[in-house]
Amino acid sequence: DVKVTQSSRYLVKRTGEKVFLECVQDMDHENMFWYRQDPGLGLRLIYFSYDVKMKEKGDIPEGYSVSREKKERFSLILESASTNQTSMYLCASSLGASGRWGETQYFGPGTRLLVL
Amino acid sequence: AQSVSQHNHHVILSEAASLELGCNYSYGGTVNLFWYVQYPGQHLQLLLKYFSGDPLVKGIKGFEAEFIKSKFSFNLRKPSVQWSDTAEYFCAVRGNNNAGNMLTFGGGTRLMVKP
Repeated sequence: DVKVTQSSRYLVKRTGEKVFLECVQDMDHENMFWYRQDPGLGLRLIYFSYDVKMKEKGDIPEGYSVSREKKERFSLILESASTNQTSMYLCASSLGASGRWGETQYFGPGTRLLVL
Repeated sequence: AQSVSQHNHHVILSEAASLELGCNYSYGGTVNLFWYVQYPGQHLQLLLKYFSGDPLVKGIKGFEAEFIKSKFSFNLRKPSVQWSDTAEYFCAVRGNNNAGNMLTFGGGTRLMVKP
């Protein structure tokens, strides 16, 4: 079974703090993704990575950055947290190999972030 | 750009009722289509997917979905729901212009099944 883990289930931070969300997958997947999930808006892609040190912007990258130094680990960074970044953050991974058609993404349990 | 629309945000059904959740997407080319489900307190997980061939796709737990290309739709169905189907359901699409395997998700539908 694919396992995607996220470092925290719940986080409370103050406005202006730097926030790190960590994601680890154990199946040697090439692709990793960060989404935020908000009621009524579904999941929106923030960033994704298709290889170590490679990253691509998703639909809503503003206010976020990412880091992928090792294949199994993908970090989401909020340089200066703001209240509108209060949300559920989901990490996902998929096998990769140049965007295989029909590929499934596997999701972690999510991190619920509250910015005060 | 792709977009996905799920028409019903909240659905309440009694056990044994039939279910159909609507999903429409906007993209003119070849697509992969997915339904994911999130049970209370659990991970988002794949319910079923379409990538080619038979447009009627069967998934886990008795769910199925039909891809109708002319209507840009991929509606999810189940003939008889159970209380354990209470969850949030998300439709997602990937277009063939997307080499990076990025998915576009709909806004989700919360299903509550009354025992």
